Amino acid sequence: AQKITQTQPGMFVQEKEAVTLDCTYDTSDQSYGLFWYKQPSSGEMIFLIYQGSYDEQNATEGRYSLNFQKARKSANLVISASQLGDSAMYFCAMRGLNHGGSQGNLIFGKGTKLSVKP
Amino acid sequence: DAEITQSPRHKITETGRQVTLACHQTWNHNNMFWYRQDLGHGLRLIHYSYGVHDTNKGEVSDGYSVSRSNTEDLPLTLESAASSQTSVYFCASSEFEGTNEKLFFGSGTQLSVL
Repeated sequence: AQKITQTQPGMFVQEKEAVTLDCTYDTSDQSYGLFWYKQPSSGEMIFLIYQGSYDEQNATEGRYSLNFQKARKSANLVISASQLGDSAMYFCAMRGLNHGGSQGNLIFGKGTKLSVKP
Repeated sequence: DAEITQSPRHKITETGRQVTLACHQTWNHNNMFWYRQDLGHGLRLIHYSYGVHDTNKGEVSDGYSVSRSNTEDLPLTLESAASSQTSVYFCASSEFEGTNEKLFFGSGTQLSVL
């Protein structure tokens, strides 16, 4: 069975500093995709970044980067130069990918609440 | 612009009533999902579909059903609403672009079962 674990219920970071949000996963799929989503207090889910398990380079999207360590089954999100608007819940998610066959479930971790201090 | 919309945004109903939450996407995505979000549980998958006439049960499917008669819509039905189904419900759709997959969410439906 697939599982996503986010061990940090809450995190604080000083404005303009970098922060790492942890995510570990468990899957028996050979091919899979990893996602990070941001949920501000307004409630919408905002896509941040995607990493495929066979992607050789870590994914980056602006101030977001994904520190993907396949052997350790970790997919940590790094936010550089934190801004006050980064205060939100952050969710890690995973989906199994059997290319040419069926796709797996998409499951989410329980989230990390990030608070950026001025 | 393409989008994914949920309706209603807020719904109050009584236990035992049948309720249907609508989800409509104009991305032409094959993949659609329903989640519920509760404090302490994060997002949990209820049902999902990978194409027309395809539906699959997720982690918390009991008491819910879906049908996919076209690409654009995946309505979620609560056959007999229970207080335990009070939650925020999110619909999502996704498609692969090369090796990248993006998942787009609707704005959510706040459902209260009294």
